[in-house]
Amino acid sequence: DGGITQSPKYLFRKEGQNVTLSCEQNLNHDAMYWYRQDPGQGLRLIYYSQIVNDFQKGDIAEGYSVSREKKESFPLTVTSAQKNPTAFYLCASSILGTSTDTQYFGPGTRLTVL
Amino acid sequence: ILNVEQSPQSLHVQEGDSTNFTCSFPSSNFYALHWYRWETAKSPEALFVMTLNGDEKKKGRISATLNTKEGYSYLYIKGSQPEDSATYLCAFMEYGNKLVFGAGTILRVKS
Repeated sequence: DGGITQSPKYLFRKEGQNVTLSCEQNLNHDAMYWYRQDPGQGLRLIYYSQIVNDFQKGDIAEGYSVSREKKESFPLTVTSAQKNPTAFYLCASSILGTSTDTQYFGPGTRLTVL
Repeated sequence: ILNVEQSPQSLHVQEGDSTNFTCSFPSSNFYALHWYRWETAKSPEALFVMTLNGDEKKKGRISATLNTKEGYSYLYIKGSQPEDSATYLCAFMEYGNKLVFGAGTILRVKS
């Protein structure tokens, strides 16, 4: 089955620790995205990538880092510099990343900082 | 950062009722408007991608209209069913191929 997988589903982290969220897709999509959801707010874009080895900051990139070494994978690292990391994180992909491309979403990871 | 507003924030209707909600977005530099449905414990799924002023799209009992000049889109659900219960998200595509999402409208359909 083609799709997007995110792991883990739930993640707990102590303050001051970095943590990496996994996102893998087998849809052969060029573009991948990371969003964050907080209660009462829309999905906010953290980073996106339209091609391997290239990525751009979204609206809330501070305290996060990404890599795109393979087409299928776009891991997100939440660093200790992120002041309020507790949130629900969604990964998505689209064919080319153009304005009319539908985005396909993974099931999400809920990160809680203890 | 652009602002995309959705109203109402939540809606409770009876099975069989028809309903509609609104997405407001900037009317300048329009590229596309996306609608997604997000059911509890599932991933958001695309409903429509709309690009032309006056465009109307339909998928079963759900339809959407687009007015790019005044900056709004309506989503209509005819004869709501319990399985329509979800959060409906709209997203405005701005230059740079970045989607800006609204906070969503939560729909609950009671049987």
